[in-house]
Amino acid sequence: EPEVTQTPSHQVTQMGQEVILRCVPISNHLYFYWYRQILGQKVEFLVSFYNNEISEKSEIFDDQFSVERPDGSNFTLKIRSTKLEDSAMYFCASGRAEETQYFGPGTRLLVL
Amino acid sequence: TQLLEQSPQFLSIQEGENLTVYCNSSSVFSSLQWYRQEPGEGPVLLVTVVTGGEVKKLKRLTFQFGDARKDSSLHITAAQPGDTGLYLCAGAPAGGTSYGKLTFGQGTILTVHP
Repeated sequence: EPEVTQTPSHQVTQMGQEVILRCVPISNHLYFYWYRQILGQKVEFLVSFYNNEISEKSEIFDDQFSVERPDGSNFTLKIRSTKLEDSAMYFCASGRAEETQYFGPGTRLLVL
Repeated sequence: TQLLEQSPQFLSIQEGENLTVYCNSSSVFSSLQWYRQEPGEGPVLLVTVVTGGEVKKLKRLTFQFGDARKDSSLHITAAQPGDTGLYLCAGAPAGGTSYGKLTFGQGTILTVHP
C-alpha cells in the first residue's frame, strides 16, 4: 500500500539556521499539506498546496516558511531562520481529494 | 476559528468493554476524519465521513457523523488491548475556499487493560 514518506526522521539545528524538510507524497495525489504538532499539543495546519501553488496558509506560516514541489515528486517545507519555538513534529500529508488526507511519519525538529 | 472538542480526554477500560469517544463543534464540517496516532508517529487514517447522519463500520469500530455535520462519535465494541492508543478527530471546513485545511481535536488517549 502506498505511503507518504518523510526525511529526515529527526533534525537537530541551531537557532537561526535554515532547515528543509522533505516529503514524498503518494504518487497519484493532487493535494499536499504540512502540519505541525508541538509536544503535548494539537496537530496544527500550516499550509495546503494544489496545482503548484499555495491554496491556504495559517497564521503560523509566516515569511520564514516556504513550500516547494521542485520535481513533481518531492514536496518540501523550508524554514529560513529557525526559532526555538519551531521545535515540533512536522507532518506532511497528501490526498486525491480535499477531504481525505494521508499523513507521513513526521520529522522531529529540535531547535537549540 | 473552528474548534473541535473531543471527550473524554482519557479513557481507561478493561478488555471486552464498549466505549464511545465524542467529537463536538459549533461549526459545520464538510467531512470529518478519524485518525489513530502512536507515540512519535504520524496520524493513521481510520475513516472519513462526509454525509450528515452517515454511519460507517470498520470491524469493531463504528463511526457516526451527526445530522447537522457538527459532531461525530467513535464507538468501539469489545475493546482489546491492541486498541490502546491516541484517537484524533479532524474536520474539514464547509463552504468557503479552504482547501482541505483540517482542524484537529485534542485527542482521546485510550488504554485497554487485559
